[in-house]
Amino acid sequence: QKEVEQNSGPLSVPEGAIASLNCTYSDRGSQSFFWYRQYSGKSPELIMSIYSNGDKEDGRFTAQLNKASQYVSLLIRDSQPSDSATYLCAAFVYYNQGGKLIFGQGTELSVKP
Amino acid sequence: ETGVTQTPRHLVMGMTNKKSLKCEQHLGHNAMYWYKQSAKKPLELMFVYSLEERVENNSVPSRFSPECPNSSHLFLHLHTLQPEDSALYLCASSHTENTEAFFGQGTRLTVV
Repeated sequence: QKEVEQNSGPLSVPEGAIASLNCTYSDRGSQSFFWYRQYSGKSPELIMSIYSNGDKEDGRFTAQLNKASQYVSLLIRDSQPSDSATYLCAAFVYYNQGGKLIFGQGTELSVKP
Repeated sequence: ETGVTQTPRHLVMGMTNKKSLKCEQHLGHNAMYWYKQSAKKPLELMFVYSLEERVENNSVPSRFSPECPNSSHLFLHLHTLQPEDSALYLCASSHTENTEAFFGQGTRLTVV
């Protein structure tokens, strides 16, 4: 089982709609979760971090964490064509000697004008 | 000035060459990372340094050799690479290992 899983997409939404991106993780001990946006040919850019159950809002973005179900989601309201990118979910996974930040394969989002 | 700077941005090298990738962070972070990103694959963690000590070596071939001389600088020394090593190599840093990581612009490496 992959440690962090995302649907690869592509996810296509019309401009102005809500885009919903989902992610599941396998390590119940994970405490830190992150969403990154990556435009083609560019490096990942941090959008949100979330550490507690519930919702966290920042502008048009809302991250949701449910530790019991081991999923993290990202909602993008009023989607814009400029939001078209690959969205990466990451979780900090603990190992015997410490831990490491593990990424999912990313979900490609396309926002159509 | 960006928080995490990588040089060079692009590199083409032959299989017998030796080259180095450089990463510098100006964020006062204590942890630095090397990731590899190949086409259509997830980001692969290669190395983790925390307080200048290597804490993770994710089964990376010995033709990749990291060096962390201080908390602000990280190098990846490359020698006798293979064409399948062609990828985007990303450096990142974070305050501690389990807090948000910030990425450099990456080095696009092509091995010919």
